Amino acid sequence: DSGVTQTPKHLITATGQRVTLRCSPRSGDLSVYWYQQSLDQGLQFLIHYYNGEERAKGNILERFSAQQFPDLHSELNLSSLELGDSALYFCASSVGLAGNYGYTFGSGTRLTVV
Amino acid sequence: KNEVEQSPQNLTAQEGEFITINCSYSVGISALHWLQQHPGGGIVSLFMLSSGKKKHGRLIATINIQEKHSSLHITASHPRDSAVYICAVTYSGAGSYQLTFGKGTKLSVIP
Repeated sequence: DSGVTQTPKHLITATGQRVTLRCSPRSGDLSVYWYQQSLDQGLQFLIHYYNGEERAKGNILERFSAQQFPDLHSELNLSSLELGDSALYFCASSVGLAGNYGYTFGSGTRLTVV
Repeated sequence: KNEVEQSPQNLTAQEGEFITINCSYSVGISALHWLQQHPGGGIVSLFMLSSGKKKHGRLIATINIQEKHSSLHITASHPRDSAVYICAVTYSGAGSYQLTFGKGTKLSVIP
């Protein structure tokens, strides 16, 4: 157990639907990063939150949104789902903002859109 | 464009062999990370480097900042080392240190 909890582990849903992925960071970590891993694009950065505030956005579609709550858990909302959204979604947490603290990954949520 | 290149893409080794995976990047970085992903999908952070060399058990990671190159070595490889090894970097600036990933090296160690 890495200390980062992602739920659910697997999700199968239909096109056009909306889903919410949840991430609880390791105790004491203030940063949460979301990444998408697909067969054709590999691992890509989606969005970063630090202590409740959005810090950076990557290749995140407008249909996707995220937030970090006061208890520091984060949710990634995916709407109007398309077949191409099928992927593994990881979150990673880190103590601070600077890149010298290292990252701890969750086990991921495998999303299948049918 | 900030790119991270890994080689080889695929690697098959006999148990006990010494393995090297290479990573190169195009611009200055704040840190380089080596990650391991097993077939089940979970990602484990192996090393974070900004200079020099680090060792953990049979794994050794080195980085040459001037040449923008890093290597991951596995000594006395074992079938349980079979996994995808991913090189990733962070770039400083703008208050965010998200990872930029290479495409990974799939390692298979045969008994």
